Amino acid sequence: SQQGEEDPQALSIQEGENATMNCSYKTSINNLQWYRQNSGRGLVHLILIRSNEREKHSGRLRVTLDTSKKSSSLLITASRAADTASYFCATGGTGANSKLTFGKGITLSVRP
Amino acid sequence: DVKVTQSSRYLVKRTGEKVFLECVQDMDHENMFWYRQDPGLGLRLIYFSYDVKMKEKGDIPEGYSVSREKKERFSLILESASTNQTSMYLCASSIILSGRNTQYFGPGTRLTVL
Repeated sequence: SQQGEEDPQALSIQEGENATMNCSYKTSINNLQWYRQNSGRGLVHLILIRSNEREKHSGRLRVTLDTSKKSSSLLITASRAADTASYFCATGGTGANSKLTFGKGITLSVRP
Repeated sequence: DVKVTQSSRYLVKRTGEKVFLECVQDMDHENMFWYRQDPGLGLRLIYFSYDVKMKEKGDIPEGYSVSREKKERFSLILESASTNQTSMYLCASSIILSGRNTQYFGPGTRLTVL
């Protein structure tokens, strides 16, 4: 069953602009993670935010988490053409297992 | 750096063939996963394993089986391949450390069943 749902499904922006992607989920989580996938490749972990955290930064990435609204956002600042990829949110449950449930992904295109 | 490798990047098989997809990780991770990825459906978990010789069904196990005889290797088996199993297959591994369960992915195997 799909836990995370990303929004929008596709996003096209100009190089230098900021890209904001959203993720909503349904059940309680231990953490929420964002991954990136370049075309035809495997996923690469970008950032993890725990359920007791509200905001986290990593380079040009900023992630927020609102557990009351069951939602997260990923902001990429000063986007580059190389940021063109699919982005997935994944939620880790509170149970004693290590499964993640992935959303369907957002396709980001950054025009040079 | 964690490295997860998959035996083939591209594979073409015929309907009814038995297909083996191999995944190897070099970081002594306990957990390993097999997903398939299809357009519009995202990643769907097929099977996962928490330990050697241990396996658990994911969301879509039908038509698949797995084997984990050694900690570093997790194999996905299509007993009798069908055209609806044409997909991108992704393997991942993880370790739970301080509550973090980040997954590390292989490059994927694009399987076409004719």
